[in-house]
Formats: sequence, C-alpha cells, structure tokens
Amino acid sequence: DTEVTQTPKHLVMGMTNKKSLKCEQHMGHRAMYWYKQKAKKPPELMFVYSYEKLSINESVPSRFSPECPNSSLLNLHLHALQPEDSALYLCASSPSGGETQYFGPGTRLLVL
Amino acid sequence: GQSLEQPSEVTAVEGAIVQINCTYQTSGFYGLSWYQQHDGGAPTFLSYNALDGLEETGRFSSFLSRSDSYGYLLLQELQMKDSASYFCAVRPHGGGFKTIFGAGTRLFVKA
Repeated sequence: DTEVTQTPKHLVMGMTNKKSLKCEQHMGHRAMYWYKQKAKKPPELMFVYSYEKLSINESVPSRFSPECPNSSLLNLHLHALQPEDSALYLCASSPSGGETQYFGPGTRLLVL
Repeated sequence: GQSLEQPSEVTAVEGAIVQINCTYQTSGFYGLSWYQQHDGGAPTFLSYNALDGLEETGRFSSFLSRSDSYGYLLLQELQMKDSASYFCAVRPHGGGFKTIFGAGTRLFVKA
C-alpha cells in the first residue's frame, strides 16, 4: 500500500461546528504532516508528528487541534473556524527526513 | 531567513524542453526536492537531489549546485499532461522535519 488516504474529500461547516479530518497511511512512515493550501499558493506547513509525537506546530491557532492516535493515523480536529480557514487541507507522510513526502488527496474545506 | 524563488509562470510547446529554476537563500539544508501539482489535485513527489549534480528520472531531471545556491527541474518531450504547478522544496538544517516550499511555477504546455 503506497498511498495516503484522507476523509472526507469535501467538507462544509459553519463557524460554530466541530468536525474532524482524518488521514491514514500504511507505509510505515514515521513522520506525518498537516498542510493548508490556498488557491495558487504553495502548501503551508501546520503540524508535524514524528514517531507519533508532535514535533512542529507552526503557530497554528488553537481552533485547529491535531491528534496522532497511532503510527498510521492522523486527525485534525476543527472547532469555531473562520471563513478565512477555507482551504485545501493536505496530509502527508515521509519515511525519514522529510525530503520525500507522499501527499493524500486533501480535504477541501469551506467555512460559512 | 530562508526563501526559495521560482518563476511564477512558464509556457512551452508540446515536445519541447523546459527548465524551471529554483534559487534559494538558506543557511543550510539537506537537499532539494521537486513536486508536481495538477489543478484540483495533491502534490506528488518528482525528484530529490541530496548532492550536487544531475538526477534523471525518465523525462524529468533535476539539478543542484549548492555553490551557486541554485537548482532546476528539466522536463523533456513535453506533453499536455505536464501542464501543472511545480514546487521546489528544502528541509533546512536544525528545522527537524520542517519543509519549506517555493511559491511554485505554473507550467502551461501548448499544442
């Protein structure tokens, strides 16, 4: 299995909702990432988990809460988001170092 | 600071060769990676240069020169399906698993 899966593909939520994005990989990769990407912009790093521990938080607002239940799963919990948080949320994993990252298809999020 | 600069757009014709440059200002990094992203899709890994020189993978090649703070992606025998955005990326020393992406180059391939 050489892919990263993400659910849901699309999500529409109101500013008072709570939702979660899910990511899964079965390649044995020890680093997993959450990125946010706006149209015509590069991916913007949010969080990195290394060996199931949070190693990087790029000063992301607390309305985004990551969780790594085990080495294959990564969640991003969303609460009280703002319309400007609407974007493509990408999960990625890498075997080591991070030079080669495998991206999931992303969740396209719209906050109303 | 650390930054990667790429041209915003490049246009080429089918069958041609195109070079997408990436110049960087960073104190030190492990290597230069390249990713392709089609509209509506996710980035996919193309190539990685840990050392100076040329890496070839089929129609795509990537080059790195640390002394010149410069790298490029070379696409040969261009096809319409190569129309996409291309990002260079580095993992800086001392940054853990953090990866910095360039702003991306949109490649338009014309018939």
